[in-house]
Amino acid sequence: GDSVTQMEGPVTLSEEAFLTINCTYTATGYPSLFWYVQYPGEGLQLLLKATKADDKGSNKGFEATYRKETTSFHLEKGSVQVSDSAVYFCALSDNAGNMLTFGGGTRLMVKP
Amino acid sequence: DTEVTQTPKHLVMGMTNKKSLKCEQHMGHRAMYWYKQKAKKPPELMFVYSYEKLSINESVPSRFSPECPNSSLLNLHLHALQPEDSALYLCASSQFGNTIYFGEGSWLTVV
Repeated sequence: GDSVTQMEGPVTLSEEAFLTINCTYTATGYPSLFWYVQYPGEGLQLLLKATKADDKGSNKGFEATYRKETTSFHLEKGSVQVSDSAVYFCALSDNAGNMLTFGGGTRLMVKP
Repeated sequence: DTEVTQTPKHLVMGMTNKKSLKCEQHMGHRAMYWYKQKAKKPPELMFVYSYEKLSINESVPSRFSPECPNSSLLNLHLHALQPEDSALYLCASSQFGNTIYFGEGSWLTVV
């Protein structure tokens, strides 16, 4: 079945540092890929998505590129802020788009 | 801002109580979901409704009873829960084949 693997956290960075959170997937067909963010005490918010190979999703300074050849969807940000501290989930949806498979989540802590 | 609204945000209930979680969306989505999330874990799918009909039940105990009164509303009725059912319950919605959007969640504590 489908699966998503993302780097374990916590990831601790200083403000303005470069961020990479790795995500790889196993899936049949052509899934869509997502990054969701969960701030403390809140629900999940869609951060960005990509629906086909070589698509780049971007939002709030975050970017991720759908790499079919390496089955990856790594999340990057050039300069993190304290307000980016949260848990980040990589996910894929099946071909019908009706179900999500989540990675285990990566906690990011950004220190001033 | 999320357009999926969940109430209540916090709920404390005893093991003999009956309570309900409510979810509402006005995006015209025809698929609605309940997820359960334990601390430091990703969300786990519980139920999926398609066109107000239950299409997926991920072997959830019968003490959780979903209901979809209409295309905008989704309820989760709770009865005789156990302390291990304490978790964040997330409602979500989507239009088929498109992005799934989540609400802010309802924090449930069973005492």
